[in-house]
Amino acid sequence: DGGITQSPKYLFRKEGQNVTLSCEQNLNHDAMYWYRQDPGQGLRLIYYSQIVNDFQKGDIAEGYSVSREKKESFPLTVTSAQKNPTAFYLCASSTAAGGPTDTQYFGPGTRLTVL
Amino acid sequence: AQKITQTQPGMFVQEKEAVTLDCTYDTSDQSYGLFWYKQPSSGEMIFLIYQGSYDEQNATEGRYSLNFQKARKSANLVISASQLGDSAMYFCAMREGPSGTASKLTFGTGTRLQVTL
Repeated sequence: DGGITQSPKYLFRKEGQNVTLSCEQNLNHDAMYWYRQDPGQGLRLIYYSQIVNDFQKGDIAEGYSVSREKKESFPLTVTSAQKNPTAFYLCASSTAAGGPTDTQYFGPGTRLTVL
Repeated sequence: AQKITQTQPGMFVQEKEAVTLDCTYDTSDQSYGLFWYKQPSSGEMIFLIYQGSYDEQNATEGRYSLNFQKARKSANLVISASQLGDSAMYFCAMREGPSGTASKLTFGTGTRLQVTL
């Protein structure tokens, strides 16, 4: 089955620790995205990548870092510099190759809690 | 100014009835796309329907239709024959600029729909 997987589903972190959230897709999509969702809010873009070895900051990139070494994978690191990291993190991918919809499809999400 | 506005924090609808979820948007781009996603309590965002700014017909996908009024900058989601499984958060989102490049979606704050017996 084609889709997007995120792991872990739940993650607990102590203050001052870096953590890495995994996102893998087998949809052969070129573009991948990371969003953050806070309670009662919509999603906000953290980083996105259109091709391997290239990525761009979104609206709230401070305190986060990403890499895109493989087309299928776009891990997100939440660093200790992120002041309020407790949130629900969603990864998405899209073709970004033209066409009428270029829809972003989402993974199941990772819920990060800082203790 | 908010780019996507969903003014209904919560809505109730009886099973088998139709319901309209409101969405207005703000953009100066000529080319943009409007999306609706459903988020059940599990958290996953499920794509429902898309409308392109140049599409002349309103989009439909099964029980979902999008009432697109370009001059009013509104893109309301209509769910017909509501089912209990439709209870969820619903988000309107906009992609600005042409398709073919990776670009962000801007989301509204969502509407929580509760379907009752």
